[in-house]
Amino acid sequence: QKEVEQNSGPLSVPEGAIASLNCTYSDRGSQSFFWYRQYSGKSPELIMSIYSNGDKEDGRFTAQLNKASQYVSLLIRDSQPSDSATYLCAVGGGGFKTIFGAGTRLFVKA
Amino acid sequence: GAVVSQHPSRVICKSGTSVKIECRSLDFQATTMFWYRQFPKQSLMLMATSNEGSKATYEQGVEKDKFLINHASLTLSTLTVTSAHPEDSSFYICSATRQGEKLFFGSGTQLSVL
Repeated sequence: QKEVEQNSGPLSVPEGAIASLNCTYSDRGSQSFFWYRQYSGKSPELIMSIYSNGDKEDGRFTAQLNKASQYVSLLIRDSQPSDSATYLCAVGGGGFKTIFGAGTRLFVKA
Repeated sequence: GAVVSQHPSRVICKSGTSVKIECRSLDFQATTMFWYRQFPKQSLMLMATSNEGSKATYEQGVEKDKFLINHASLTLSTLTVTSAHPEDSSFYICSATRQGEKLFFGSGTQLSVL
């Protein structure tokens, strides 16, 4: 069974610090990797997508992918209280089905 | 980015009634739509995959006769929860994709069955 694993947290970091979120996946054939942010009672919103090994930066966010280790991470620099949310790692295969991790709750303390 | 509209955002109904939730892609044609259910503090659980003009593919453990999905056009999919019971109370979210690109989510529907 294809799985996506995340530490449920909560992960607590002070304002201005770097938050590091990690995710592992079981299907070596996975081709697409996503990070979604979900506020309580809201639907997920896409913040990063990555398709090849290495780093991808977008503003304060950096996604890192290592297919050999089946590992994907998200770094949030200069964390803000508004970044407090649940972050969902999602992995897609050659088809259209996307598998979501259980999410990591992040708290950024002011 | 692409916009997916989902209605209603919140519904409260009596046990035994049916509830219909609509999911529309407003500015693109969605080849595939997905329906998820999310219980409090849990992740998204895929219920079914819906392709326009064909029957939905349900995930294991999801009752297709209880959760009716209709994907009548490339911009509209509906989920009907038939004979709803309190255990069906959950947050239901649709998403759409065009040609296998990233998922675009609707705003979700909070269903409360009394």
